[in-house]
Amino acid sequence: KAGVTQTPRYLIKTRGQQVTLSCSPISGHRSVSWYQQTPGQGLQFLFEYFSETQRNKGNFPGRFSGRQFSNSRSEMNVSTLELGDSALYLCASSLSPDTYNEQFFGPGTRLTVL
Amino acid sequence: KQEVTQIPAALSVPEGENLVLNCSFTDSAIYNLQWFRQDPGKGLTSLLLIQSSQREQTSGRLNASLDKSSGRSTLYIAASQPGDSATYLCAVRTLFGTQGGSEKLVFGKGMKLTVNP
Repeated sequence: KAGVTQTPRYLIKTRGQQVTLSCSPISGHRSVSWYQQTPGQGLQFLFEYFSETQRNKGNFPGRFSGRQFSNSRSEMNVSTLELGDSALYLCASSLSPDTYNEQFFGPGTRLTVL
Repeated sequence: KQEVTQIPAALSVPEGENLVLNCSFTDSAIYNLQWFRQDPGKGLTSLLLIQSSQREQTSGRLNASLDKSSGRSTLYIAASQPGDSATYLCAVRTLFGTQGGSEKLVFGKGMKLTVNP
């Protein structure tokens, strides 16, 4: 059974540009969450999607957005990139948002903003 | 606001030692607790998931315990090996804000483990 896949694995952008990251959950999983990991802040919750609807959103500016498609694949978009957006972006999937479900993470997308 | 702490931030041990990794959280109202390992530059690998109603979970050489009332969890690694070298993170599934039906994982900063041959 294939795990969570994220594309691309690495990205280099310049300030002011925008970027779109993609996440394909484990087959059968319908809930997708996104996290940002930086050395200073650690792992921080960005948002969660289920059935194409955003359930929760973390404390990030409106430049960070996302969506989920009918096949449960998810994308996140960051507009007007800033240097501080450089991070590892991790996607996690679970069967559903039910609290007892285990979260499975992908390998991440390493974003560098110059 | 839920906060998760892992102390120490790093640990270096010789191969074969039995290890105890600690995790503490400030709000005992959690749904579950999950332990992960992260290898450099990689994503997170789930090790163990303990539901709030459980006291411990075991998988191979790993054993995790949960004491909700004291806000603590420990991950026990038996007979450590160089391949166990990684960063270990614990995360609690907790209520997000005050809205029912909204939860998220809150992570500790992790503990970097080095097992020397």
